[in-house]
Amino acid sequence: KAGVTQTPRYLIKTRGQQVTLSCSPISGHRSVSWYQQTPGQGLQFLFEYFSETQRNKGNFPGRFSGRQFSNSRSEMNVSTLELGDSALYLCASSLGTGIVSTGELFFGEGSRLTVL
Amino acid sequence: QQPVQSPQAVILREGEDAVINCSSSKALYSVHWYRQKHGEAPVFLMILLKGGEQMRHEKISASFNEKKQQSSLYLTASQLSYSGTYFCAPLDRDDKIIFGKGTRLHILP
Repeated sequence: KAGVTQTPRYLIKTRGQQVTLSCSPISGHRSVSWYQQTPGQGLQFLFEYFSETQRNKGNFPGRFSGRQFSNSRSEMNVSTLELGDSALYLCASSLGTGIVSTGELFFGEGSRLTVL
Repeated sequence: QQPVQSPQAVILREGEDAVINCSSSKALYSVHWYRQKHGEAPVFLMILLKGGEQMRHEKISASFNEKKQQSSLYLTASQLSYSGTYFCAPLDRDDKIIFGKGTRLHILP
């Protein structure tokens, strides 16, 4: 069974540009969550999608957006990049979502974004 | 708000025990624990459900006190393979899984 796949693995952008990251969840998983990981801050919750609907959103500015497609694949977009957006962006999939299903999160290896 | 983990870092010798604590200001439904090794993705260890039993994963166990909104991870007779960063991730009543900042654990031979 293939795991969670994130692309690209590494990318370098300059301030002001925009970036799109992709996540393919484990087959059959309908929930996809996105986290930003920076040293010392742990994993900061960005948003969660379930069946193409955004269920929850973290405290990030509107420059951060996402979507989920009918095949459960998800993308996140960051517009007008800032230096502080440099981070590892992790995607996690799970069978269900929230209190309805307390299943584990399966993480991809992440997309490491560097903003110059 | 992020749950608070303590300590922030621990250095142990192989065979020693450790406890990692996690507390939240919000009412919790359950608590996940994950371990992340350097350069790798976080990996699920266990989940504690409200009213559930204490869980175990190898020689790692955890407890959940829903009244105090706290969870603790117990590492017994630590092994070199236990090195990494441990995260608690409670599921709160807003249906969000929010990760703590992590506890770095380093095991010395």
